[in-house]
Amino acid sequence: GQNIDQPTEMTATEGAIVQINCTYQTSGFNGLFWYQQHAGEAPTFLSYNVLDGLEEKGRFSSFLSRSKGYSYLLLKELQMKDSASYLCAHLDSNYQLIWGAGTKLIIKP
Amino acid sequence: IAGITQAPTSQILAAGRRMTLRCTQDMRHNAMYWYRQDLGLGLRLIHYSNTAGTTGKGEVPDGYSVSRANTDDFPLTLASAVPSQTSVYFCASSEAGTGGYEQFFGPGTRLTVL
Repeated sequence: GQNIDQPTEMTATEGAIVQINCTYQTSGFNGLFWYQQHAGEAPTFLSYNVLDGLEEKGRFSSFLSRSKGYSYLLLKELQMKDSASYLCAHLDSNYQLIWGAGTKLIIKP
Repeated sequence: IAGITQAPTSQILAAGRRMTLRCTQDMRHNAMYWYRQDLGLGLRLIHYSNTAGTTGKGEVPDGYSVSRANTDDFPLTLASAVPSQTSVYFCASSEAGTGGYEQFFGPGTRLTVL
């Protein structure tokens, strides 16, 4: 079967660094996505990893290890506007996105 | 450029009523999707369409139907609404294979079935 897990909630301090982990199990894999979703809004694309390693994009980086079924999203220099839910999703063998339940990130001053 | 629009923004519906949620995209994406999002459960795929004229069932299709008469529009119909269909519904689109698999989301429809 297919399964994708991420922590329900995390808290971090403004200016700090936070790492949000995501693990997945799947019989077919075509890439790993991270989306950001502010409360009451639609999800918006952050990153896509299909090969192992780290992809850096400004304050946000995403890492993938296909052999371990593991990814993380790293957020640096946290700002209050980063308070949101972060959704991990993998692209399965049918090229459909399988979504985790999301990690609610709370930023404190 | 609007991207993806959904209507209505929110709706309160009596159980047993028929309801169609509208979704329109102007990006000429071939693939479109309908998800529901419930607290603690994440996004669940209801139906999808890889190209105009074709549709497929997702993880939770029961009680819902879709059509894809053209590239731009992908309406979702609840034939006889039940309280368990209370949720936030998101429509999304992607180039799926021709230009990548990133999905772009509409603003959502908040539906309450009483």
